[in-house]
This record gives sequence, structure tokens and C-alpha cells, in this order.
Amino acid sequence: GAGVSQSPRYKVTKRGQDVALRCDPISGHVSLYWYRQALGQGPEFLTYFNYEAQQDKSGLPNDRFSAERPEGSISTLTIQRTEQRDSAMYRCASSFSGRHTGELFFGEGSRLTVL
Amino acid sequence: ILNVEQSPQSLHVQEGDSTNFTCSFPSSNFYALHWYRWETAKSPEALFVMTLNGDEKKKGRISATLNTKEGYSYLYIKGSQPEDSATYLCAFNVGNYGQNFVFGPGTRLSVLP
Repeated sequence: GAGVSQSPRYKVTKRGQDVALRCDPISGHVSLYWYRQALGQGPEFLTYFNYEAQQDKSGLPNDRFSAERPEGSISTLTIQRTEQRDSAMYRCASSFSGRHTGELFFGEGSRLTVL
Repeated sequence: ILNVEQSPQSLHVQEGDSTNFTCSFPSSNFYALHWYRWETAKSPEALFVMTLNGDEKKKGRISATLNTKEGYSYLYIKGSQPEDSATYLCAFNVGNYGQNFVFGPGTRLSVLP
């Protein structure tokens, strides 16, 4: 696609429900990153992939959070048994080269609200 | 814990003023520093990718410098315009190949007409 696409754009859920957030990166981009962004704050790293391999998941807050990118393209971030503190903007970014010189292209984000 | 800091947290300037702000990062194991511009309700967009000590990059009225030995980068805006109002984020890359980027908290710039 022309840009990084995320869905849903907005998700309201009740505490305890599972949610799945989807990211469709720019075609051909090697690396895919998930960030969480609280209001007025910079993005907080969650995890990233090179192709289908999850290279670093050290930013995932706890074991309720998981991510996959099974075919090296679309990625899904899953949050199980959601809690109110999970409410945030979840941003996906992709990078063409996966190298340190590759700028990140961000999607518009998925805003999650847990009631 | 890797810490990337930005100062000031927020800044208000008059149209036409020049301004600058700072990103501080660990000086060891440097690979790259990125600057992003983030307008409210939009996604962050890349401004500069900086890799070499002493790098200076320029895009229109915006420029950036890099000092990897002391661990800081400056972003300068010359003759600020209202459309420059945004949050400016720096991101430190922690490895050579596809390692994660740690973002600073951002500097929120408001340019008053």
C-alpha cells in the first residue's frame, strides 16, 4: 500500500476482553515496529520484527501482550484480558531497510479505550 | 535502561523568531539519531537521519547538528512560522541492524502569529 495502514482506528472495549490490532506496513518494508503512545508523550517501544522474526519484545509490558507477523508483512498486536491502563494510542511503523539509517514510516494509529 | 531526553518540554515563540532545542542520548554505542515532526492528530514524520559525529543536516528553515561524543543533537528552526507548530521527537537507534528505536518525550513547539 501507499502508507502504513492500521485498523481499527478506534476501539472501545470492556475490561477483560481481548483485542487485536492490525498493521499493514508499506509493501517491501523489512522491519515493523509497534509503539504505544500516551497522550502528550513520545512513542514507547513495544516490539519489532525483521521479516517474520520477532527480534525484540522487551518493551511488551507483560504476558497479556503479544505480537506476530507470520508472513513477514501484516502484523497483529494482541492484548488479552484488557485493563484500563492499556488505554493508549498504539502506533505501528515500518522501515524499508531495517538498518539504523532507515527512517520509520508511521501509521495513523489505533486508539484503544478500555472501559 | 536507555534514556533519551529532550529539552525544553515545551516552547512558545513568536512568528519570525528562531529557536532551538536539544536531544540528549547515551554517547556510547552510537548508531543513529532520527528527528521526527509530529503534528497533533497526525503521525510522526521523519525530518532527519543522522549517523556521523559532526553531521549537520538542513531542510528548508530547519537544521540539525549531531555530537555523538558528548551525546546530544540540536534542532534549529530559523524564522519560525505558525505551521512549524508541532512536537519534535528524537529517536535513538540502539543497534546496527534493525534494532529498536528509543524515542524521547518530545519538545512541543507553539509558534504564535
